[in-house]
Amino acid sequence: GAVVSQHPSRVICKSGTSVKIECRSLDFQATTMFWYRQFPKQSLMLMATSNEGSKATYEQGVEKDKFLINHASLTLSTLTVTSAHPEDSSFYICSARWARGRSNEQFFGPGTRLTVL
Amino acid sequence: DAKTTQPPSMDCAEGRAANLPCNHSTISGNEYVYWYRQIHSQGPQYIIHGLKNNETNEMASLIITEDRKSSTLILPHATLRDTAVYYCIVRMDSSYKLIFGSGTRLLVRP
Repeated sequence: GAVVSQHPSRVICKSGTSVKIECRSLDFQATTMFWYRQFPKQSLMLMATSNEGSKATYEQGVEKDKFLINHASLTLSTLTVTSAHPEDSSFYICSARWARGRSNEQFFGPGTRLTVL
Repeated sequence: DAKTTQPPSMDCAEGRAANLPCNHSTISGNEYVYWYRQIHSQGPQYIIHGLKNNETNEMASLIITEDRKSSTLILPHATLRDTAVYYCIVRMDSSYKLIFGSGTRLLVRP
């Protein structure tokens, strides 16, 4: 159990276009999902926290108008990179919090590699 | 959440125990120690977590010092597939956020 999927796994787009990345919890309900970004040879950087049915909370320095997050259901959150530019090329990873009992475990998706030409 | 300090890299021989240290000297009483690992180009994988008692599961053991200022993750019989970046994270259980440091890059040698 506790599987998180992401789609697509890899995307290449032209500069100026928008790209949507989906994050799904396949076998559990996730009231909270998180979005991270990881540049080559660097650690994961938390971008935003997404709660089902409410607006996302963005970390300092992350542009909310550029990285649109929608958490419409307990199993799906989407990240849209609007007007993507080459500097947005990165590995985007989501995680979902499974609140069961006393545990607050987070389970991560496999990541989406975005390349902006 | 308290900060953690880990060595940037370590290596061990396949079949031997891998002991990964983590310092968290500013940890507070209600903060847990979590360990995750990330194999190249994949999402992080949860390994284990603990508060003050030592913990063991099918993947690893977590040894937390009595003063809780440091901990060690032990992979008892490392395999080549354990080559990854290992992250030690300190977090309050009520704080859902995981803030990743730079981690330890473990290389398991054949």
